[in-house]
Amino acid sequence: EVQLQQSGPELQRPGASVKLSCKASGYTFTEYYMYWVKQRPKQGLELIGRIDPEDGSTDYVEKFKNKATLTADTSSNTAYMQLSSLTSEDTATYFCAREGFTTVGGYFDYWGQGVMVTVSS
Amino acid sequence: EIVLTQSPTTIAASPGEKVTITCRASSSVSYMYWYQQKPGASPKPWIYDTSKLASGVPNRFSGSGSGTSYSLTINTMETEDAATYYCQQWSSTYTFGAGTKLELK
Repeated sequence: EVQLQQSGPELQRPGASVKLSCKASGYTFTEYYMYWVKQRPKQGLELIGRIDPEDGSTDYVEKFKNKATLTADTSSNTAYMQLSSLTSEDTATYFCAREGFTTVGGYFDYWGQGVMVTVSS
Repeated sequence: EIVLTQSPTTIAASPGEKVTITCRASSSVSYMYWYQQKPGASPKPWIYDTSKLASGVPNRFSGSGSGTSYSLTINTMETEDAATYYCQQWSSTYTFGAGTKLELK
């Protein structure tokens, strides 16, 4: 059974950094890209970027290029996202999501449970 | 980037009622994907490749469309269907619609 287990909730001060984790199990970690998605309270889904765990290559949505850093550890089948210089705008739930493919297209077939990050002084 | 516009933003339906949610793309896309999200939970894949139901999705749900216009339909609303539904497309990059909140009337 495929599972994506994310780390626990975070309370951080403005200006701090935080590193979130997403531990994958039930499949070959290096065979699927991992995406990260932001959801602000009562808002929609916003893509942050993705990592290829096989070679560590990344691709970010432009607005997150100086905010998020994606890494992956193949020895522990864990994907990470570090968020830097936190502001209140970063208060949100963050999901990791595996990119799956059908014969004709891509979508997110498995999701982590989400981690709430609260930025407050 | 292809922009997806969902309508309505919010809709209320009574049990047994038929519900249709629309997703319009700013440019033609080949297929559409839908997710269901309930409060405090992660999104669940719901419909893929425009019209195929994900595992465990009741057959009162259906998806259709082509080009720039797609829809998710619930044939007969049930209480458990109250949720927010998001469309998503895959071309050179992924984008999501803003979501449609389906409430129970």
